[in-house]
Amino acid sequence: DTAVSQTPKYLVTQMGNDKSIKCEQNLGHDTMYWYKQDSKKFLKIMFSYNNKELIINETVPNRFSPKSPDKAHLNLHINSLELGDSAVYFCASSQAEQYNSPLHFGNGTRLTVT
Amino acid sequence: QKEVEQNSGPLSVPEGAIASLNCTYSDRGSQSFFWYRQYSGKSPELIMSIYSNGDKEDGRFTAQLNKASQYVSLLIRDSQPSDSATYLCAVPMDSSYKLIFGSGTRLLVRP
Repeated sequence: DTAVSQTPKYLVTQMGNDKSIKCEQNLGHDTMYWYKQDSKKFLKIMFSYNNKELIINETVPNRFSPKSPDKAHLNLHINSLELGDSAVYFCASSQAEQYNSPLHFGNGTRLTVT
Repeated sequence: QKEVEQNSGPLSVPEGAIASLNCTYSDRGSQSFFWYRQYSGKSPELIMSIYSNGDKEDGRFTAQLNKASQYVSLLIRDSQPSDSATYLCAVPMDSSYKLIFGSGTRLLVRP
């Protein structure tokens, strides 16, 4: 199936731990993103990579570090997890510029920090 | 001022009625506009895109764009209970890759 897939689907961990979320797309898109959706359902952009180059880096704590080994993969590593990091994290991809290219989302990773 | 604003709802309509969802945006330079639907516990899915002033129809969905008023809307005709979801308006900001989402409008279609 052609899609954006991310793992794991659920992640429950304790404060202070380090965790990673992985994302892969086989749509042949050039650009990948991480979005965070909080408990109020507000979807906010965190990072974007275009052909492995970081192009968007919003005001995100430096505990969050994205990595793109190639244009089909974008991972998110989170250090020293805090309660406020609990949210659903969505990976997405788009073809080239967003002017006329919508996002395709993965199924999300629900992170719960206890 | 928020960059993309939507009424959070819920908007409740009876089955078969027209549901009207509205969105305003702050960046006058924005050229493309998207509507996503998100069911509870699921990821957002694209349902409409619109790039020029006027109406664009796709099945029961019509997107309307007025760039002068910085306003985009989504009409859903013959609303069905299966249309009950949160509808997210999204607009790229600063002529960039940065797609900004509104907070979403929750639609409830009553059988």
